[in-house]
Amino acid sequence: GQQLNQSPQSMFIQEGEDVSMNCTSSSIFNTWLWYKQEPGEGPVLLIALYKAGELTSNGRLTAQFGITRKDSFLNISASIPSDVGIYFCAGHGSSNTGKLIFGQGTTLQVKP
Amino acid sequence: EAGVTQSPTHLIKTRGQQATLRCSPISGHTSVYWYQQALGLGLQFLLWYDEGEERNRGNFPPRFSGRQFPNYSSELNVNALELEDSALYLCASSLAGTGKNEKLFFGSGTQLSVL
Repeated sequence: GQQLNQSPQSMFIQEGEDVSMNCTSSSIFNTWLWYKQEPGEGPVLLIALYKAGELTSNGRLTAQFGITRKDSFLNISASIPSDVGIYFCAGHGSSNTGKLIFGQGTTLQVKP
Repeated sequence: EAGVTQSPTHLIKTRGQQATLRCSPISGHTSVYWYQQALGLGLQFLLWYDEGEERNRGNFPPRFSGRQFPNYSSELNVNALELEDSALYLCASSLAGTGKNEKLFFGSGTQLSVL
């Protein structure tokens, strides 16, 4: 079945630094979504991407839909302590299954 | 506007019992999805309901079942609970039931503990 490989698994950075994480798939995805999950909460949608090559920003967050449609990237600029959490990539494949496939998550810790 | 709401927040059961989890989607959303988030295993797709019908289910045994009501709210039932069913169960909703390219909005989940 379709799988997503998300990296890195975890990051421990200094406040103010930029962060990059990515997801790759063995097959083509039609949609890429990026979520953030904080302890005791459900994932919150950050950015949705629908076209190959698309670059979308949401405040300090920028995500891109890879040209090959098999990868996506999320960048966070000038990190702040409230950026702490687990970031998940997720994607819809080519069939109408309603199934959103998730990466394993990137745990981000920010040192003030 | 209210987001996806789930109840209860926490549920403690013993092996062999049944658990019922509830979800109310965002107003105007017709599709409801259930995901299991077990420790260290990420989010696994369980079920998708749209317009009262089960549209797809993930690789889970039949003792995981559910339904969607006419008001689009949903229940997830887990029968004959096993220890490994302990997890955070997340409900999500989306605007339409096309099955593709939908933006899913998640609730805060029900933490099920099986003792």
